[in-house]
Amino acid sequence: AQTVTQSQPEMSVQEAETVTLSCTYDTSESDYYLFWYKQPPSRQMILVIRQEAYKQQNATENRFSVNFQKAAKSFSLKISDSQLGDAAMYFCACSNTGNQFYFGTGTSLTVIP
Amino acid sequence: DSGVTQTPKHLITATGQRVTLRCSPRSGDLSVYWYQQSLDQGLQFLIQYYNGEERAKGNILERFSAQQFPDLHSELNLSSLELGDSALYFCASSVTGSPGNTIYFGEGSWLTVV
Repeated sequence: AQTVTQSQPEMSVQEAETVTLSCTYDTSESDYYLFWYKQPPSRQMILVIRQEAYKQQNATENRFSVNFQKAAKSFSLKISDSQLGDAAMYFCACSNTGNQFYFGTGTSLTVIP
Repeated sequence: DSGVTQTPKHLITATGQRVTLRCSPRSGDLSVYWYQQSLDQGLQFLIQYYNGEERAKGNILERFSAQQFPDLHSELNLSSLELGDSALYFCASSVTGSPGNTIYFGEGSWLTVV
């Protein structure tokens, strides 16, 4: 079984500043993948970034990057130069060898103008 | 637009009734997933299909069933509905069910049970 924990129900950031969202996971599988999805008020789930657990290099996608600490089973998301459009619920997810995704309970991000 | 289509977008029904939610995956995707998101909750994995065959089951109630048809669209059937079944039901799809495949979500079907 896999569990994903997001310990920050809510976060806020000043526009143009940087914010880090935390995520820890637990899995017994050696081959797994980690994802961050964004859910804006429209409720659409949008992929933000993806990380292969076998890769040591942290994934980066424009203003979004991750800090993947495999030994600590930690997978945090850093958003740089925050924009108003980044306001959303962010979900961390872990997928297993069967490609079933397990999601955390989410972090609601508010961007302050 | 993810390319995953779900219908209906909104549905209101009474307790005890049965509803069917429909999903068309992205063109070329063989695997379909169903998730339930209750109010202020994360997403709960319900079931996964690959090329018409059930691949994995998650926290799916016995009152719920699903199938994937030869044209790869999928339906989630919810019966004997209870108030607690009110939720946003997502369908997602991926190219295959192989590890690491990104899943792409539809816009969801809002189900309200009254």
